[in-house]
Amino acid sequence: DTEVTQTPKHLVMGMTNKKSLKCEQHMGHRAMYWYKQKAKKPPELMFVYSYEKLSINESVPSRFSPECPNSSLLNLHLHALQPEDSALYLCASSQDRGYGGELFFGEGSRLTVL
Amino acid sequence: AQTVTQSQPEMSVQEAETVTLSCTYDTSESDYYLFWYKQPPSRQMILVIRQEAYKQQNATENRFSVNFQKAAKSFSLKISDSQLGDAAMYFCAYRITQGAQKLVFGQGTRLTINP
Repeated sequence: DTEVTQTPKHLVMGMTNKKSLKCEQHMGHRAMYWYKQKAKKPPELMFVYSYEKLSINESVPSRFSPECPNSSLLNLHLHALQPEDSALYLCASSQDRGYGGELFFGEGSRLTVL
Repeated sequence: AQTVTQSQPEMSVQEAETVTLSCTYDTSESDYYLFWYKQPPSRQMILVIRQEAYKQQNATENRFSVNFQKAAKSFSLKISDSQLGDAAMYFCAYRITQGAQKLVFGQGTRLTINP
């Protein structure tokens, strides 16, 4: 059973669409992450939120816009994406900064951009 | 910059046998964590085992154990009594304990279990 829930599991969108990916955790974790994973590759970090504030942005294009409304929720807003943005988007959470604990991952949202 | 290297893109093992997956890393930090994650075709990344760098004792979780060689910056995973459900992509990962919590992944090793 996953304790990090991602919706939707699959998303198909056109290059002019606006959509959002959602992530929720109820483990009391104060750090949340977005990773992008292409087929047969390791996950690549996109964003890190710590205590609801953006702490790391790995030079991600502005067509990806993260949002952390509260400590349990993390969104990734998508706009004007390109076909090369098609990938598996993984959300993860962990305990407080500095604790060094493992990341707990959701099942991912499979995004296809047409 | 921290890097993680997995030199075996693919491995296979007979069911019930033992297999070892290799991982090396490069860091100038003295305090960090190392992890092995498993990603089956179902997509979810699942933690297999973790090791704190300050601990000399190798971590063990049931059939999974690691050989942590801090001086050599090596962190291999041994799977004993391999089972069909162990088939997956395995990622070695590194993370510092202070500051930013970035988890750095290796390229992964695809493990096949032969019945």
